[in-house]
Amino acid sequence: NAGVTQTPKFQVLKTGQSMTLQCAQDMNHEYMSWYRQDPGMGLRLIHYSVGAGITDQGEVPNGYNVSRSTTEDFPLRLLSAAPSQTSVYFCASSYWGASGSSTDTQYFGPGTRLTVL
Amino acid sequence: KNQVEQSPQSLIILEGKNCTLQCNYTVSPFSNLRWYKQDTGRGPVSLTIMTFSENTKSNGRYTATLDADTKQSSLHITASQLSDSASYICVVKEAAGYALNFGKGTSLLVTP
Repeated sequence: NAGVTQTPKFQVLKTGQSMTLQCAQDMNHEYMSWYRQDPGMGLRLIHYSVGAGITDQGEVPNGYNVSRSTTEDFPLRLLSAAPSQTSVYFCASSYWGASGSSTDTQYFGPGTRLTVL
Repeated sequence: KNQVEQSPQSLIILEGKNCTLQCNYTVSPFSNLRWYKQDTGRGPVSLTIMTFSENTKSNGRYTATLDADTKQSSLHITASQLSDSASYICVVKEAAGYALNFGKGTSLLVTP
């Protein structure tokens, strides 16, 4: 298993440009999520999905879109990049129980380091 | 607002020494508490997950404790190694919904 993969590893954008961060997992996990990590802030949830066709907003969703057309893929789209979106982005996945809760391990990807000029 | 506070913010110890990291939370209702290790430039990796009924859980030289009554957890690292240098993140899950509450992490540096 490759686990959770993210592409690209590094990206530099100009203000106003759009792009998509890719995330894929091969563990058949229902739950997938996107976080951003900024110095001194910890990890903050952007969007999450509990299955194909189901997505919802997290703590900091503004400026980002997601979709989940398959179990494996969960891309994050930046609509019009701003310098405030300079950050390290992590995708994560885990199992989700039928009861709507999970005590299973959340697996993180290696991250995408994004700089917006 | 649900919060997760970690202390200390950073810590430097000598190789071979023990150390303990603290996590206090106000998350309610509580589901589980997780400790992650994040090496520089990499994604977090799970060390332990503890539910309400678990007081102690070990993973090699890492031992996590949980006191659900006082809403405190600790991560004890025994006989530290240079490879233990990393950020350690405490994450508390709410019993309702999908929310995970992240602490800001403790940065540990183990020196020779």
